[in-house]
Amino acid sequence: NAGVTQTPKFQVLKTGQSMTLQCAQDMNHEYMSWYRQDPGMGLRLIHYSVGAGITDQGEVPNGYNVSRSTTEDFPLRLLSAAPSQTSVYFCASVRTGSYNEQFFGPGTRLTVL
Amino acid sequence: ELKVEQNPLFLSMQEGKNYTIYCNYSTTSDRLYWYRQDPGKSLESLFVLLSNGAVKQEGRLMASLDTKARLSTLHITAAVHDLSATYFCAVDASGTYKYIFGTGTRLKVLA
Repeated sequence: NAGVTQTPKFQVLKTGQSMTLQCAQDMNHEYMSWYRQDPGMGLRLIHYSVGAGITDQGEVPNGYNVSRSTTEDFPLRLLSAAPSQTSVYFCASVRTGSYNEQFFGPGTRLTVL
Repeated sequence: ELKVEQNPLFLSMQEGKNYTIYCNYSTTSDRLYWYRQDPGKSLESLFVLLSNGAVKQEGRLMASLDTKARLSTLHITAAVHDLSATYFCAVDASGTYKYIFGTGTRLKVLA
């Protein structure tokens, strides 16, 4: 199993550009989520999905779109990048059960100039 | 609104010493998680606590949960340099898959 994979690892954008951060998992997990991590603020939930075709907003959804067409993939789209979106982005999936354990991807470091 | 607070935010301690990190959360939650993050790396799961009075231990780390006080602690025994990292607690709002994280505690163990 590759677990949770994210691409790219690093990205530099100019203000106003759009891009998609990719996330995939091969563990057949229904639940997936996107977080951003900023210094001193921990991880904040952007969007999450409880299965293909079902997504919902987290704490900080503005400026981001998601869709979930398959169980495996959960891309995060930045429509018009802003410097405030400079952050490290983590994707995670959950093995449901008693513990609902989250598995995190390696992260994407995004800089918006 | 579910909120999670950790303290301290920064902790510098000598090798061999003991210390405790605290995690408070604001509303009922089914599970309490502890994670470790090394600089530039992703999060690694340490513990999942399910019920009141739950205690789990792994090496020099021990986590406990008091659901009545909405408090979890991560106790470090006889710290070693390898424990230097940032530690996060998180909870999931009851009945949802929304995980809320604390701001993290950056631990530095000095030789």
